[in-house]
This record gives sequence, structure tokens and C-alpha cells, in this order.
Amino acid sequence: TQLLEQSPQFLSIQEGENLTVYCNSSSVFSSLQWYRQEPGEGPVLLVTVVTGGEVKKLKRLTFQFGDARKDSSLHITAAQPGDTGLYLCAGDPDQAGTALIFGKGTTLSVSS
Amino acid sequence: GAGVSQSPRYKVAKRGQDVALRCDPISGHVSLFWYQQALGQGPEFLTYFQNEAQLDKSGLPSDRFFAERPEGSVSTLKIQRTQQEDSAVYLCASSLEGFSLSDNEQFFGPGTRLTVL
Repeated sequence: TQLLEQSPQFLSIQEGENLTVYCNSSSVFSSLQWYRQEPGEGPVLLVTVVTGGEVKKLKRLTFQFGDARKDSSLHITAAQPGDTGLYLCAGDPDQAGTALIFGKGTTLSVSS
Repeated sequence: GAGVSQSPRYKVAKRGQDVALRCDPISGHVSLFWYQQALGQGPEFLTYFQNEAQLDKSGLPSDRFFAERPEGSVSTLKIQRTQQEDSAVYLCASSLEGFSLSDNEQFFGPGTRLTVL
């Protein structure tokens, strides 16, 4: 069974701080996705990484896919209260439109 | 354009009752997924449809759970004889399905929060 371990589970920081969320597995994924979910809503896709070693930037968010395609990280620079939410990583085992395997998520709280 | 919609948004059931949760996917999307999300956890896969065919139901936790998509569009997840451990948010997602990465992006609905008393 493929599993994704996310850490930390909870993160509470002040506005302006930097943070990194990690997503690790012992299995290889064809792609890995990061989602953000707000209370009462479904997850919304932030980015998909496909190639080992790939780095993608989305404004203050930087996503990296490990060289072996087993792990990923999300780094947020100068966090803002609007970044508050549940961040989920999800792996696609075979990129064939099959079910995603989600990590348990990181709950981020940014206070002003 | 409309996204994925789910109804009801909230459902309270007494233990032992049957419930039916509805998902309206994005028009034209071939694939439809159901996930179960416990409080403070990530979504867990329940079942997957390609058009009207249920290709994977390996995630359904028991035979009390049943899903259908008879005309390849709207889907219903039914839970019979609900138990307290069934309390969770049930998410539906749909995707276009194709050869490109963007075609396989899953779009999620807001979920139905089921509480079993």
C-alpha cells in the first residue's frame, strides 16, 4: 500500500515568517499534487509536479519534487493570514486517471 | 461554468438510518471519484467511475456502502444502516480524463458533512 506522510501536522506561525511542509513516501509516484482546503470546501489544486527534481513557483509558494519522485516539499515565504488552511499532498500512482493517495494534511494557521 | 456540486451539504442521521448523497460532476467529465474525509485528516478514496462503469470500489469500507452512476453523469453514494464511524465529510471529484496531465486534474465539490448520532 502506498502511503504519504506529511509533516508537520499542525503549524502556527506569525505573519511574515517562512515555513516548509514535507510530504514523504517510500513509494514512487508518477506525479504529486498539492492542494489547499478551507473549512467547508473541497480541496483546490495548487500545483502538480511530475519530473524528479522539478521546482515550481506560485507567487510566494515554492514546490519541489524529490529526485526519486518519492517526496515533495512546499515552502511558503513571508506567510500571510490568507495562507491559513489545510495543505494536502496527493500522489498519483500511475497517472492513468485513477484515485489519488492523500497525505493526512498540514493545518497552517497564520496570525497577524 | 459550474463546478462540482454536492447535496445535501449537511446531513444528520440517526444510527441505523439509510442516507443518499448526491454528486453533480462538471458537465462532460468522464471520471468521477468519491472520497471520505474524517475530521482533521486527508481524503481517502472510496470508489471510481468511468462514465457509468464502476471501475474501482476497493475503498468502500463495508457492504453497507453502495455507489452508482447509471447515466454516466450524476452519482449517488448510499450508506445503509449508518453507524457512528460513518460520520465524515464525503467528497466527490470529477475529471475530464485524457492523455494530458491537465485532463486528469480532479475538481472537487464542497462535500457533504454526514453526522450519525
